[in-house]
Formats: sequence, structure tokens, C-alpha cells
Amino acid sequence: EMVMTQSPATLSVSPGEGATLSCRADQSVSSNLAWYQQKPGQAPRLLIYGASTRATGIPARFSGSGSGTEFTLTISSLQSEDFAVYYCQQYNNWPRSFGQGTKLEIK
Amino acid sequence: EVQLLESGGGLVQPGGSQRLSCAASGFSFSSYAMSWVRQAPGKGLEWVSGICGSGDSTYYTDSVKGRFTISRDNSKNTLYLQMNRLRVEDTAVYYCAKDGYSSRWYGPRYFDYWGQGTLVTVSS
Repeated sequence: EMVMTQSPATLSVSPGEGATLSCRADQSVSSNLAWYQQKPGQAPRLLIYGASTRATGIPARFSGSGSGTEFTLTISSLQSEDFAVYYCQQYNNWPRSFGQGTKLEIK
Repeated sequence: EVQLLESGGGLVQPGGSQRLSCAASGFSFSSYAMSWVRQAPGKGLEWVSGICGSGDSTYYTDSVKGRFTISRDNSKNTLYLQMNRLRVEDTAVYYCAKDGYSSRWYGPRYFDYWGQGTLVTVSS
């Protein structure tokens, strides 16, 4: 099974600042990578697929980059509603797998 | 509007069985692969199983192979997960998730819509 490793586990950032979240795959997943946001008590929400394509309705302050084994989710100018847990997920290999998550908290 | 409504969760003893359902609406159900994704209390997301739009192909994570069976009834727009020989470590919220890519023949990729989840607790 592919292992997806996210870093850092927790990121403390002030509102208005930017944040960079990382996701690493233990083998290449090409560009078959998605990012999700999850708030407490809610289902996950798709942010990015194909490593860099924003899902419908996702604000432009969210951007994804990378290919192969190294990926980044960048959030510019953090809003209060952006503080949540973020997961990456690969869909290049079976079984599909998620990273362990990065908690983005208010500094 | 896409809607996914899970049901069937509850308390079950170790070794027991449970059947989850997910009623879908707002999209052409048979045109999309579907998945079950679970989340143990306080933990991260784990993809459990998926099925292509036609229902011909199914996929499982290793820890549930031989115990769980995914199926779908395209005439009823409903997804199922039959869970047998349940273990304490299967305790989780189980989410039904729609694939973001339209294909009757390909397995799940990424998930653009999720239900609100149903809690399965395996305990004696």
C-alpha cells in the first residue's frame, strides 16, 4: 500500500498570512493527487484534484502544485474559515490512500 | 443538487455483521464510481472500498478484503456496504463518496461529494 506523508502535523498561522502544506508519496503518483479540507463534525470537502486543478467553487487563494512524489497545497491570505484539517489523497494506485492530515490552526 | 444519505450504522458486537446503505440523488448515479471512506474517532481518513459505475468491478483496502462487500443497485440509486466479521478496529464514521470523474467502467479516483456519514461502533 502506498504511504502518503503530510507535513507538518500542525501548522499555526495568523489570519491574513499564507500557509504551505506538504504531501509526499513513497512512490510516484504522477499528478493523480487530490486535497481535501475537513472541519470538525463535517464531511471532507474536495479542494484540488489532478494536483493543481481547483474543484468547483473553491476560492483562488487555494492552489496546488507538484507531481511525482512531492506536492504542495498553498493557501494565500488565510481567512477564518480556512482553519481546518487538510488531507492529501493519491488515486494512482490501489488501494487509494490518504495522508494522515495537517491541522491548520490559528496562531 | 447532489445528495448522499447514509444509513445503517449502529452498535454491533465483535464478529457481527452490519449493512450500510447510501441513497444518492441529483446526478446520474450509474455514470459514477462510488466509494466508502471511514474515519475512526479522532483519526484521519481511510478509503475502504469502491465500485465502478456499472457495478462490474470492485476494489478494497487490504484490511477489509474477505470481510466487506460493496455493491450498488443502479435502479434504486443506492450504494451498499455489507460488513461481516466486524472488529473493534472497524469502529468509525463511514462516509459514502461520489467520484469526481464520470465513467461507468473505471474505479474510484477522487471524491467530489460526500455524505454526512454514519457511525458504526463495534464493541461488546
